[in-house]
Amino acid sequence: QVQLQESGPGLVKPSETLSLTCTVSGGPINNYYWSWIRQPPGKGLEWIGYIFQSGSTKYNPSLKSRVTILLDTSKNQFSLKLSSVTAADTAVYYCAKNRVGLAPFYFYMDVWGKGTTVTVSS
Amino acid sequence: SYEVTQSLSVSVALGQTARITCGGDNIGSKNVHWYQQRPGQAPVLVIYRDTNRPSGIPDRFSGSNSGNTATLTISRAQAGDEADYHCHVWDSSTVVFGGGTTLTVL
Repeated sequence: QVQLQESGPGLVKPSETLSLTCTVSGGPINNYYWSWIRQPPGKGLEWIGYIFQSGSTKYNPSLKSRVTILLDTSKNQFSLKLSSVTAADTAVYYCAKNRVGLAPFYFYMDVWGKGTTVTVSS
Repeated sequence: SYEVTQSLSVSVALGQTARITCGGDNIGSKNVHWYQQRPGQAPVLVIYRDTNRPSGIPDRFSGSNSGNTATLTISRAQAGDEADYHCHVWDSSTVVFGGGTTLTVL
């Protein structure tokens, strides 16, 4: 049973870069797609982007200019970097494993981490 | 960009059937997935690809998708079903979530 655990600073200053890591246990990180999703306080879910084993990525267009997702297969981890943060980036950040089909196409999150709260404040 | 709409809240009497909808233009042509999120917890997948239940999800949960509406149906509602329910689709190379629906069991 794959399990995911997010880690990283809980407080980030405005204009700085938010950095989080997701550690995957119970299975290899290869052969799957991995996503980051966030949820601002009292609001709905927002998908940030995914990475695949080849290192290929796709990002939410609304965040694309500020987001980088990287994969470290040696550590069974993937990471999120979000630059130039503002208070609007305050949220619970989740990492998740994806299930993807190509014909027909489908994409969903079948395993989620417990989430980590990140507050942007000086 | 594609929009997915959900009612803010739905109420259901204990033991009755709750229906939570996810609306979008011709959403019936897309795969819709549903997540349950209890207060203070991470989302859990309850329905994938319109109608499929992951292992461990009770058969009280079912899904359908046609036309402009996808529906998550919860039969014999229990107190433990109180939660936020989120749907999502894939469109134009991105995940689009609905705003989420809060289910209250009376």
